[in-house]
Amino acid sequence: DAKTTQPPSMDCAEGRAANLPCNHSTISGNEYVYWYRQIHSQGPQYIIHGLKNNETNEMASLIITEDRKSSTLILPHATLRDTAVYYCIVRVGGGSNYKLTFGKGTLLTVNP
Amino acid sequence: GAVVSQHPSWVICKSGTSVKIECRSLDFQATTMFWYRQFPKQSLMLMATSNEGSKATYEQGVEKDKFLINHASLTLSTLTVTSAHPEDSSFYICSARRATGTQGGELFFGEGSRLTVL
Repeated sequence: DAKTTQPPSMDCAEGRAANLPCNHSTISGNEYVYWYRQIHSQGPQYIIHGLKNNETNEMASLIITEDRKSSTLILPHATLRDTAVYYCIVRVGGGSNYKLTFGKGTLLTVNP
Repeated sequence: GAVVSQHPSWVICKSGTSVKIECRSLDFQATTMFWYRQFPKQSLMLMATSNEGSKATYEQGVEKDKFLINHASLTLSTLTVTSAHPEDSSFYICSARRATGTQGGELFFGEGSRLTVL
């Protein structure tokens, strides 16, 4: 299983972009990078995922380096409600038969 | 997005009793559901994978006789914590894999069930 490394915590000012890094140096060519977040005492919420191209949706952008050994999740305009633990996960298993193994994640605190 | 519901959202029970937690996919069919456990200030730990109509696959170190999982239909999986003890107090979270459709293969998480064993 490809492991991920994230900083344990980060701070961001409200309204500014939050850039959350993730290292996954042992990722295989067919493994996806997923990002979830968990607000306190709630279930994880899907944010975005990608394979090798950069991705963007209404919540965030995902930038994956060319060698795929690291990625960055970008929240363009962080709000107080974005305070949560953010998990970077490498998808284990092929096709639709996979499971997600969570690491320790990054606690993002958005300050007013 | 797809909705996964857990019930109860919180439960308090006496030591030695059994507790059942339900996980339902409300608007899609889920051939596979996963059960996680999360202790305070820790990450989610995968306990088992539940496939509809077959026995669950447990992760290493998880007691299958302690945590009974049943996945009798494409929209319902249950986790029963048998003979619960205080150390079983935790936040239990399920996720469901959507079988088909535009979001086929993606995982959706429930809101979690907090178990407190006295």
